[in-house]
Amino acid sequence: GAVVSQHPSRVICKSGTSVKIECRSLDFQATTMFWYRQFPKKSLMLMATSNEGSKATYEQGVEKDKFLINHASLTLSTLTVTSAHPEDSSFYICSARRANNEQFFGPGTRLTVL
Amino acid sequence: KQEVTQIPAALSVPEGENLVLNCSFTDSAIYNLQWFRQDPGKGLTSLLLIQSSQREQTSGRLNASLDKSSGRSTLYIAASQPGDSATYLCAPPYQGGSEKLVFGKGTKLTVNP
Repeated sequence: GAVVSQHPSRVICKSGTSVKIECRSLDFQATTMFWYRQFPKKSLMLMATSNEGSKATYEQGVEKDKFLINHASLTLSTLTVTSAHPEDSSFYICSARRANNEQFFGPGTRLTVL
Repeated sequence: KQEVTQIPAALSVPEGENLVLNCSFTDSAIYNLQWFRQDPGKGLTSLLLIQSSQREQTSGRLNASLDKSSGRSTLYIAASQPGDSATYLCAPPYQGGSEKLVFGKGTKLTVNP
């Protein structure tokens, strides 16, 4: 299968700081990437759809000014959690969609806000 | 709104057994459905993508079937191994050919040596 990477895999930060997470599709070009968050023992929750060269589409209830998404190229999307607070602590996972509609997921980023 | 139910929620079996994981979804007007596995603390690994024109898709010991009319998909795992232990998730699109996927809570599988 295709490979999607995420960086960093784990980050701990102080409340009020901003954290950037990168998602890269390593062996295919992805016009569309997705960002999810997952709480312990819960389903994945789609946060936003990231389209290369255009603004992201956010799901209802997700603050776009809080979670900034940039899809600068066909292989890179970034999620920036701005002014992070403890309630933002979660597991963030990205996925990239290939031309046949198959989605490939990154390994996830564990964010802990102190 | 697409809703996904996976049964059973958890399953523990001895090594070597053949097993079936069930997935049902409410909006059957879908173009495809994807099965994933998730290991604890990890991302998702794509197992199979089955198109609506297909009734089955096979990869190694895995076989997925899709019955759109009844809103069901099953994942068959043959000759289970301890390394198959993970949570299995089925994900149909939000609707039709939407690129957004909807996830259920998954089936947590434990294969005992």
